[in-house]
Amino acid sequence: GNSVTQMEGPVTLSEEAFLTINCTYTATGYPSLFWYVQYPGEGLQLLLKATKADDKGSNKGFEATYRKETTSFHLEKGSVQVSDSAVYFCALSLPLGAGGTSYGKLTFGQGTILTVHP
Amino acid sequence: GAVVSQHPSRVICKSGTSVKIECRSLDFQATTMFWYRQFPKKSLMLMATSNEGSKATYEQGVEKDKFLINHASLTLSTLTVTSAHPEDSSFYICSARDLGQGAQGAFGPGTRLLVL
Repeated sequence: GNSVTQMEGPVTLSEEAFLTINCTYTATGYPSLFWYVQYPGEGLQLLLKATKADDKGSNKGFEATYRKETTSFHLEKGSVQVSDSAVYFCALSLPLGAGGTSYGKLTFGQGTILTVHP
Repeated sequence: GAVVSQHPSRVICKSGTSVKIECRSLDFQATTMFWYRQFPKKSLMLMATSNEGSKATYEQGVEKDKFLINHASLTLSTLTVTSAHPEDSSFYICSARDLGQGAQGAFGPGTRLLVL
């Protein structure tokens, strides 16, 4: 089956530190890959995505590259801010050709709590 | 664009009562809506997929008689937690998608349910 494994948290960093949150996946076919962010008390927001191998998704200084050879989609940011403190979820979705209601169904990793201190 | 709302945002109820949660797509027609459940400090678990005008497809282990899903129109899906018990307390999140949005659609802000 399909699964997503994220780096165990929580992660605690000082402001302006470099961030990496590892994500690897197992899937049949060629999934789309996503990073979502959840701020305290709120729902999920799409942070970035990549739909095919070697694509790089980027947003708000965050980046992740779809690596088919290592089945990974690690999230990075060069300089984190206090406002980046949140829970980050890696997720995958099967392509349209996977059939039926599988399309659009997201499989999430367990989430990584990030806390950034001033 | 692609805004999804949920109502209520928070609900507290007594054990044994039923609670209805609404998920609406505000600026697009959602052919498919997904309902997720999130336990504290845990990931999201997909409960069911609903397509407008047809019965919902439930994930393994999710009781369809307990969690009633209705997708009556292209902009509204409802999740009813019947005879709620304290173990049903959780954060329920919907996401809505149409074919033009690609795989992921948009998420609602979530509904926090507390059953006393």
